[in-house]
Amino acid sequence: KNQVEQSPQSLIILEGKNCTLQCNYTVSPFSNLRWYKQDTGRGPVSLTIMTFSENTKSNGRYTATLDADTKQSSLHITASQLSDSASYICVVGKTGANNLFFGTGTRLTVIP
Amino acid sequence: DAGITQSPRHKVTETGTPVTLRCHQTENHRYMYWYRQDPGHGLRLIHYSYGVKDTDKGEVSDGYSVSRSKTEDFLLTLESATSSQTSVYFCAISGEPSNTIYFGEGSWLTVV
Repeated sequence: KNQVEQSPQSLIILEGKNCTLQCNYTVSPFSNLRWYKQDTGRGPVSLTIMTFSENTKSNGRYTATLDADTKQSSLHITASQLSDSASYICVVGKTGANNLFFGTGTRLTVIP
Repeated sequence: DAGITQSPRHKVTETGTPVTLRCHQTENHRYMYWYRQDPGHGLRLIHYSYGVKDTDKGEVSDGYSVSRSKTEDFLLTLESATSSQTSVYFCAISGEPSNTIYFGEGSWLTVV
């Protein structure tokens, strides 16, 4: 069964600290893995997209890693800011338009 | 921000009434999608389109129909709304399925 599991479900960190969010998947055959940020009441916004051959991709203070062998990905946020408070969604894709599998997200809260 | 406009943004309707949500894009992307987002679930695909008048079903298509008569517009219709269709609906677009998918701001639908 194609599944995407994210952990933790929620996380609270102090402003300025780093954090790492996890994504494990069983989707096969794998095509790509995406991380999205979703602010409350807004649509998801793409952070990174990685294919099988990529194991790291950065977007500013966000760095995503991919281990296709163990079917794990992580999103590392450096020097967190209050504006990082959001849900972060891991999405794993197979080939084709009807083949994206969404995790339920990690809710991150950054406090002063 | 990708040029995606959803309308209406908020709607309350009664059970049994028809409802149409509209998605308009200015990016000339080939693919358009309708997703719904519910607590405890990842985003789930309802229908998608790969060109004018070319559509296909997603994971949760029962009770929904779509139409795409122009590249820029993708309509989602609930023929007879039910309370289980209370949700947040997101339109999304992409050039190809493997490319970045851009989401709209969402339409909040409440069926009472």
